[in-house]
Amino acid sequence: GQQVMQIPQYQHVQEGEDFTTYCNSSTTLSNIQWYKQRPGGHPVFLIQLVKSGEVKKQKRLTFQFGEAKKNSSLHITATQTTDVGTYFCAGPNTDKLIFGTGTRLQVFP
Amino acid sequence: DAMVIQNPRYQVTQFGKPVTLSCSQTLNHNVMYWYQQKSSQAPKLLFHYYDKDFNNEADTPDNFQSRRPNTSFCFLDIRSPGLGDAAMYLCATSRGPGTGEETQYFGPGTRLLVL
Repeated sequence: GQQVMQIPQYQHVQEGEDFTTYCNSSTTLSNIQWYKQRPGGHPVFLIQLVKSGEVKKQKRLTFQFGEAKKNSSLHITATQTTDVGTYFCAGPNTDKLIFGTGTRLQVFP
Repeated sequence: DAMVIQNPRYQVTQFGKPVTLSCSQTLNHNVMYWYQQKSSQAPKLLFHYYDKDFNNEADTPDNFQSRRPNTSFCFLDIRSPGLGDAAMYLCATSRGPGTGEETQYFGPGTRLLVL
């Protein structure tokens, strides 16, 4: 079945350093969504990318959808302690989402 | 504010004692999902309803059942909880495919502890 993998599994950074998580799907996706889950919280939608090669920015966060629509990345510039959490990518499969394995980000002040 | 509500936020049950978790939404979304999430893992889809159509995941144990009596409410029944069922249970909603908005909106979750 469809699988969505993310690397790295964990990332520890010093505040101010950059962070990138990579998402790879076993199948071509119609779109890719990104969610953030704070420790003890629930997943919260961040963004959806639809077009091949699409790049979107939200302040310090840059999201990219690959040309083949099978991979995506999330890059955070100059991390802050508020960026702590687990970042999940997710791709649609009919009326459900296949979540990636997640990347847990820890930021040290 | 339109939202997804889950009750209770914390549930303690005994091994083998049935438990019901509830979810309600004011978003009027067509699809409601139930996920199980264990520590440091991605949410695992148990089943979902598209309107009244129930869709069970192939690997969801028979111990887990669901009901959706109307658009707003959805319940997760665990008939005989085992120690391995201790987890966070997340409810989510979406408009559904073909609507132009496939984003899922999650409730705060119910943390289940099995003694």
